[in-house]
Amino acid sequence: GAGVSQTPSNKVTEKGKYVELRCDPISGHTALYWYRQSLGQGPEFLIYFQGTGAADDSGLPNDRFFAVRPEGSVSTLKIQRTERGDSAVYLCASSSGLVLAGELFFGEGSRLTVL
Amino acid sequence: GQNIDQPTEMTATEGAIVQINCTYQTSGFNGLFWYQQHAGEAPTFLSYNVLDGLEEKGRFSSFLSRSKGYSYLLLKELQMKDSASYLCAVRHTFNAGKSTFGDGTTLTVKP
Repeated sequence: GAGVSQTPSNKVTEKGKYVELRCDPISGHTALYWYRQSLGQGPEFLIYFQGTGAADDSGLPNDRFFAVRPEGSVSTLKIQRTERGDSAVYLCASSSGLVLAGELFFGEGSRLTVL
Repeated sequence: GQNIDQPTEMTATEGAIVQINCTYQTSGFNGLFWYQQHAGEAPTFLSYNVLDGLEEKGRFSSFLSRSKGYSYLLLKELQMKDSASYLCAVRHTFNAGKSTFGDGTTLTVKP
């Protein structure tokens, strides 16, 4: 597609439930990122994929969070046993993976609310 | 650790010039980015500096001093549509990888 697409745009769930957030990056972009943004703060790094593999998952807060990118394109962020503190906007971004052209292209985000 | 500091808020007048500063202390440096984020929208790329000096792009310019861990974004001929949050971000690794963002500076442009 023309840009990074994220679904759902909004997700309301109850504490303890499981959620999946999907990201479809810009066609041809090899690098894919997940960030989390709370109100009034900058995006917080979660995980970065280069191709199908997670090159850096150091930002995942705990083992309730997991992300996959099985075919090197679409990625899914999975959150188990959601907690109220997980409420945030989850941003996906992609880039071409080249050194110089490394700016991130962000999707509109998935707003997660855990009640 | 990673630390990026920006002022929380700034106000300026339409047609004026404003400078938004960013200081950073990070483990690993391979470029500094500025992004613009309007309320409720995704961040969009504005500029990239990896070498010391000034990069100019239309009404926006960005400056970097690696030895001082300092950057600024300069916005000229301010327009009302420039009211947004401006995010400073440092990329850590040589290839496209993890970036650490500041909390952003909310700029309000008044008539």
